[in-house]
Amino acid sequence: KAGVTQTPRYLIKTRGQQVTLSCSPISGHRSVSWYQQTPGQGLQFLFEYFSETQRNKGNFPGRFSGRQFSNSRSEMNVSTLELGDSALYLCASSLVRGEGNTIYFGEGSWLTVV
Amino acid sequence: AQTVTQSQPEMSVQEAETVTLSCTYDTSESNYYLFWYKQPPSRQMILVIRQEAYKQQNATENRFSVNFQKAAKSFSLKISDSQLGDTAMYFCAFMKHASSNLFFGTGTRLTVIP
Repeated sequence: KAGVTQTPRYLIKTRGQQVTLSCSPISGHRSVSWYQQTPGQGLQFLFEYFSETQRNKGNFPGRFSGRQFSNSRSEMNVSTLELGDSALYLCASSLVRGEGNTIYFGEGSWLTVV
Repeated sequence: AQTVTQSQPEMSVQEAETVTLSCTYDTSESNYYLFWYKQPPSRQMILVIRQEAYKQQNATENRFSVNFQKAAKSFSLKISDSQLGDTAMYFCAFMKHASSNLFFGTGTRLTVIP
């Protein structure tokens, strides 16, 4: 059974550009969450999607957005990139929402903004 | 709001010895879950162990066990018979019952010395 797949794994963007990251959850998983990991702020929750609806959102500016498709695949978008957006973006999936369901993580997408 | 505190930024242990990583948390929730995740140099987050707050019995997974003290809001991880492959960052995380949003601590970097 394939794990959580994130693409691209590495990318470099210029300040002011926008970026789209993709996540394919484990087959059958319907909940997808995104996290940002930086040396300064640690691991921070971005948003969670379930059944194509955003269920929860972290404390990030509106430049960060996401969506989920009917096949549970998810994308996140960051517009007007800033240097501080350089981070490892982790996608995670679980079978259902809450109830302490095991959350499985992908290998992440490394974004560097120059 | 939920907060998770890991007061040991770095720890080391001799191979085959036992080490305990500390974690405290703060919440007003009565029903929640606690996790320890391992992040090796590959940066993929791997679930180590999971504890339901309503269970008094401490969770155990092979060489990994926890000491869960609900009243003290403490959740420490004990690694027995440490192996070189245990070298990684370890994150303590909290999840509310009806959510898939993980709140992470700042992590403890564990080095197993041969």
